[in-house]
Amino acid sequence: DTEVTQTPKHLVMGMTNKKSLKCEQHMGHRAMYWYKQKAKKPPELMFVYSYEKLSINESVPSRFSPECPNSSLLNLHLHALQPEDSALYLCASSQDTGRLNTEAFFGQGTRLTVV
Amino acid sequence: SQKIEQNSEALNIQEGKTATLTCNYTNYSPAYLQWYRQDPGRGPVFLLLIRENEKEKRKERLKVTFDTTLKQSLFHITASQPADSATYLCALRKNTGFQKLVFGTGTRLLVSP
Repeated sequence: DTEVTQTPKHLVMGMTNKKSLKCEQHMGHRAMYWYKQKAKKPPELMFVYSYEKLSINESVPSRFSPECPNSSLLNLHLHALQPEDSALYLCASSQDTGRLNTEAFFGQGTRLTVV
Repeated sequence: SQKIEQNSEALNIQEGKTATLTCNYTNYSPAYLQWYRQDPGRGPVFLLLIRENEKEKRKERLKVTFDTTLKQSLFHITASQPADSATYLCALRKNTGFQKLVFGTGTRLLVSP
């Protein structure tokens, strides 16, 4: 199984809502990532988890809260988002972060619209 | 500042021709460089990885070169097909924080029949 599964595929939420994005992989990867991608732009790194510990937070606003309950799951909790947070949110995993030659496997993304 | 730049304009070519995409980086010293393909509304898919001491890497119709002197990688698709139409992203890991996989700006390729 070389898949990274993200749910939901689409999400529309109001600015006062709380929602969560979910990501799952069963490749035994120990590094997991959240990226944000706006239209016609490259993916921008938000968070990196290494061995279930948050190792990088790219100065992301606190209205985005990541969680890694176990080595296969990654969540992104959303609260009080702004319309400008509307984007494609991508989850990725890689074998680990200790080797420079490891590629990343991406999920299909969650298309988030904040209204 | 650190940058990874690709042709910002879409590249339009005819089916059967060779597409050549460019990735230039500034203030990085990557040991490896990766190329990904992304279709609209979907996540990137890994294509190829090349090491700094490899001049060239091939996979089927794909060829990547890596020139650390010029700080440039070229990505070639030979005998291009309409199904090759997508956005192509180069990426590298920052060697001072190798956990970060950072992407170039991407080039959209359109192959017409």
